Amino acid sequence: AQTVTQSQPEMSVQEAETVTLSCTYDTSESDYYLFWYKQPPSRQMILVIRQEAYKQQNATENRFSVNFQKAAKSFSLKISDSQLGDAAMYFCASRSTSGTYKYIFGTGTRLKVLA
Amino acid sequence: NAGVTQTPKFQVLKTGQSMTLQCAQDMNHEYMSWYRQDPGMGLRLIHYSVGAGITDQGEVPNGYNVSRSTTEDFPLRLLSAAPSQTSVYFCASSYGGTGNREQYFGPGTRLTVT
Repeated sequence: AQTVTQSQPEMSVQEAETVTLSCTYDTSESDYYLFWYKQPPSRQMILVIRQEAYKQQNATENRFSVNFQKAAKSFSLKISDSQLGDAAMYFCASRSTSGTYKYIFGTGTRLKVLA
Repeated sequence: NAGVTQTPKFQVLKTGQSMTLQCAQDMNHEYMSWYRQDPGMGLRLIHYSVGAGITDQGEVPNGYNVSRSTTEDFPLRLLSAAPSQTSVYFCASSYGGTGNREQYFGPGTRLTVT
């Protein structure tokens, strides 16, 4: 069964600083996909970044990057030069590549950005 | 292109009442799913569908029914509402198959059961 664990319920970061959100997962599949979604106060879910498990290179999207450690089943999100607009809930998710293609989400990390 | 739409945005039910949350997408996505979001619990999968006529249970299916008669629509039915079903409900869709398939989410429905 797929599981996704986010062990940090809340994190804070100073504006312009860097913060890393942790995510670990478990799956029996050899190929899968991993995602980070952002949920601002508006409640709308927004894709931040995604990673294919078969790719060794870490994904990057502007100020957002991941540290993907496949053997450790770890998928952390790094936000550089944090901005006030980054304040949100962040969810880590995994997607199966076989049969059902289910997405499973973690419990989320609330990120506060301090001015 | 409206994306994923959900109705209603807010709903208050009394215990024992039934209702249907509507979800529709206009992107011809095969995969659709329903989640509930509760504080500290993240997004939990209720039911999902990989195509018209095919549905399956997720992590927390009890008390909910779904059907998928068309590609576009995926309604969620609460059979007999209970206070434990007070939550925010999200519908999402994506292309099926292998590949890096981003899920697109609706705006959510806040349901309160008294």
